Amino acid sequence: QSVLTQPPSVSAAPGQKVTISCSGSSSNIGNNYVSWYQQLPGTAPKLLIYENNKRPSGIPDRFSGSKSGTSATLGITGLQTGDEADYYCGTWDSSLSGGVFGTGTKVTVL
Amino acid sequence: QLQLQESGPGLVKPSETLSLTCTVSGGSISSSSYYWGWIRQPPGKGLEWIGSIYYSGSTYYNPSLKSRVTISVDTSKNQFSLKLSSVTAADTAVYYCARHRLGVMVRGVIAWFDPWGQGTLVTVSS
Repeated sequence: QSVLTQPPSVSAAPGQKVTISCSGSSSNIGNNYVSWYQQLPGTAPKLLIYENNKRPSGIPDRFSGSKSGTSATLGITGLQTGDEADYYCGTWDSSLSGGVFGTGTKVTVL
Repeated sequence: QLQLQESGPGLVKPSETLSLTCTVSGGSISSSSYYWGWIRQPPGKGLEWIGSIYYSGSTYYNPSLKSRVTISVDTSKNQFSLKLSSVTAADTAVYYCARHRLGVMVRGVIAWFDPWGQGTLVTVSS
């Protein structure tokens, strides 16, 4: 039902890098800014990236965001066991006049 | 530090109305440039935006829920509320409130949620 598509899961060993894609359309990602959220097990989502590539205070620079056309990408370098969580992209959809989230991606540290 | 806290019944009967309140502390709900939003997450599933309200009362609603949703604001109490009518089991979810940065810029719409409340589980069951 979500208008933004993410891979269900990604995994990598500690210290490695993972990237999570978020695919949308011209009515959402293509013409609006993207945000990313980390949801640790049993907790509320936390803002990781806003306005495509900005990090809130306190978020390490291991987390990065980018956008190209109708897709966005979250990168996590130096993977740690504490990064095991669900990650969601989000944006505004101008056709729906509403907020939309991605389908979510589970990151597993091997 | 801005904090948000959801409150309301954890159990609602089918066909009745779900009512939740979000209390904002550490800042004013009347801040310019910020809306205040509701998001839900069914058990084991993803996030769904429900709607958002500005302190003036201006609202945006998810089109798929619009016919059943009402969001209101009480600036005197620094609170905003959610009402969802005619609930079914499909409305069982953790409901979060969050500050919603929402603005129209030259290069598009800025929209992000931060901070979030801890969430409250609402179960729809008889």
